[in-house]
Amino acid sequence: AQTVTQSQPEMSVQEAETVTLSCTYDTSESDYYLFWYKQPPSRQMILVIRQEAYKQQNATENRFSVNFQKAAKSFSLKISDSQLGDAAMYFCAYRSGRGAQKLVFGQGTRLTINP
Amino acid sequence: DAGVTQSPTHLIKTRGQQVTLRCSPKSGHDTVSWYQQALGQGPQFIFQYYEEEERQRGNFPDRFSGHQFPNYSSELNVNALLLGDSALYLCASSLSGWTVQETQYFGPGTRLLVL
Repeated sequence: AQTVTQSQPEMSVQEAETVTLSCTYDTSESDYYLFWYKQPPSRQMILVIRQEAYKQQNATENRFSVNFQKAAKSFSLKISDSQLGDAAMYFCAYRSGRGAQKLVFGQGTRLTINP
Repeated sequence: DAGVTQSPTHLIKTRGQQVTLRCSPKSGHDTVSWYQQALGQGPQFIFQYYEEEERQRGNFPDRFSGHQFPNYSSELNVNALLLGDSALYLCASSLSGWTVQETQYFGPGTRLLVL
């Protein structure tokens, strides 16, 4: 079974600075997808960024980018120019590339932005 | 374009009772997944519905059941409620067939408290 581990329960960063959230996963599959979701206090899970395992190029969405290391099974999220609105729980998630679309989530990292 | 909607937003029940939660998928989506998120944890996959059938199921007892309607909306039913069923229940929708992989979009969730 696949597992996702987020080893940082909490992180904090000064506004406008850069922060990196860590995620590792375990799988025997070669075809899969990785995601970072953001969950603010409003509770709604919002997709931040998505990475296909077959793509070597790291995904980027504006201030958000990932460092995908397939051999190391590592998938970290970098947030540049942190803003107060980035404060939230961040979840790393894995999905197999075959069959149904079950997401396997990590335990989450709570990100605090200091003004 | 309406996103994923869920009802009710909050619910309080007593042990042993039964509850029904509802989800309407994002316009154009045909697949609905349900997740349980305990306080301070990442979401856990309950099951997924596609073409009105349960396509995949997580490690949840038979007390958890679901249904998908022809308009793709879905219900989650929980019988014989336990205190441990208190959680945020998230619905996610996506567009998929067996060979199409798409991102899941989440609703705001239903907070269930069992007393």
